[in-house]
Amino acid sequence: GQNIDQPTEMTATEGAIVQINCTYQTSGFNGLFWYQQHAGEAPTFLSYNVLDGLEEKGRFSSFLSRSKGYSYLLLKELQMKDSASYLCAVMDSNYQLIWGAGTKLIIKP
Amino acid sequence: ETGVTQTPRHLVMGMTNKKSLKCEQHLGHNAMYWYKQSAKKPLELMFVYSLEERVENNSVPSRFSPECPNSSHLFLHLHTLQPEDSALYLCASSPTPIAGADTQYFGPGTRLTVL
Repeated sequence: GQNIDQPTEMTATEGAIVQINCTYQTSGFNGLFWYQQHAGEAPTFLSYNVLDGLEEKGRFSSFLSRSKGYSYLLLKELQMKDSASYLCAVMDSNYQLIWGAGTKLIIKP
Repeated sequence: ETGVTQTPRHLVMGMTNKKSLKCEQHLGHNAMYWYKQSAKKPLELMFVYSLEERVENNSVPSRFSPECPNSSHLFLHLHTLQPEDSALYLCASSPTPIAGADTQYFGPGTRLTVL
């Protein structure tokens, strides 16, 4: 079957760095997405990786290793507004998104 | 106008009621999706429409009935729901028809409670 694993919850301190991991097993691979979802709001697109390596976008970076079925989202200089759930999703060979259950990130002052 | 809007934002209904959820996208996209999001579970894809034709139905119970009258509007008609159907229902759209690695853009969701 297809499976996406990510930690349920993480806690970090304002100003620090946090890495949220995602491992996947899917039927084919057409890219990996990260979304941010604040409580009661829409998921919003953060990043897309289809080739191995690191994609940097401001304070957020996303890494992909296709051979290991592994990605991480790196958040630097954490701010209180970064408290949210972070969703990892892989697009399979049918271009269907397979979703993880999300990682709830709690930022403490 | 925000990209994808959904109404109502909150809905409480009895098991015998009939209600409809509405989604509208203002992005000029050609594909629209309904997802179910339950607490601590992955998003579940329910329906996909591409160019107003349904192309995906992931074994969703018939008490959920989608309708896509045009490329900007998507409805989810609900009848005789069960308490386990209580969840956040998310609508999304993406630019091109199916078979493309497109980014999906989500609405804020309808929080549904079935009593």
